[in-house]
Amino acid sequence: DAGVIQSPRHEVTEMGQEVTLRCKPISGHNSLFWYRQTMMRGLELLIYFNNNVPIDDSGMPEDRFSAKMPNASFSTLKIQPSEPRDSAVYFCASSLAIRDTQYFGPGTRLTVL
Amino acid sequence: DQQVKQNSPSLSVQEGRISILNCDYTNSMFDYFLWYKKYPAEGPTFLISISSIKDKNEDGRFTVFLNKSAKHLSLHIVPSQPGDSAVYFCAASWPGGSYIPTFGRGTSLIVHP
Repeated sequence: DAGVIQSPRHEVTEMGQEVTLRCKPISGHNSLFWYRQTMMRGLELLIYFNNNVPIDDSGMPEDRFSAKMPNASFSTLKIQPSEPRDSAVYFCASSLAIRDTQYFGPGTRLTVL
Repeated sequence: DQQVKQNSPSLSVQEGRISILNCDYTNSMFDYFLWYKKYPAEGPTFLISISSIKDKNEDGRFTVFLNKSAKHLSLHIVPSQPGDSAVYFCAASWPGGSYIPTFGRGTSLIVHP
């Protein structure tokens, strides 16, 4: 069975551009999480969904960040407009239920110039 | 404010010796603790966990110890192998946080042959 799939794996963009990161969770998993990893802050939870519904987005740093989950097999994290301080690795993870073990995707390394 | 702290950014150990990775937490409500392992260009993968009702959990070469009074846990790897070289994230969760883990910044372990 395929794990969590993220695309693109790498994204380089210029400041002010819109960036869209994509995630396909493991089939049958009901919870999906978006994380950001930086050297300074480690792994931070940005937002999570349960049964496609956003439950807690308190970790989203600014209004420039938005996330959607239109169906059980797809989620996006959008940054508009992007800034250099958004440069990080963004991970998507899924789990059977909120409190179950999370399975992470390989991440998207975002560089904003 | 980091609720889960991994104060050693890196650790270097000789193959065959013991690796000890440490983690401290500040939230006394945490009652479930996890360790994740992350290789370069991959997402974190679950390694081992411990509930607060226990003080030790063992899985092969990996043992996690929990000292609730000190709010401290550690991961022991015996014997260490070069394939163990990775970043190790400590995480903690509690019912009030829906058992979604709060991660530390990670410790990079290098095991030398």
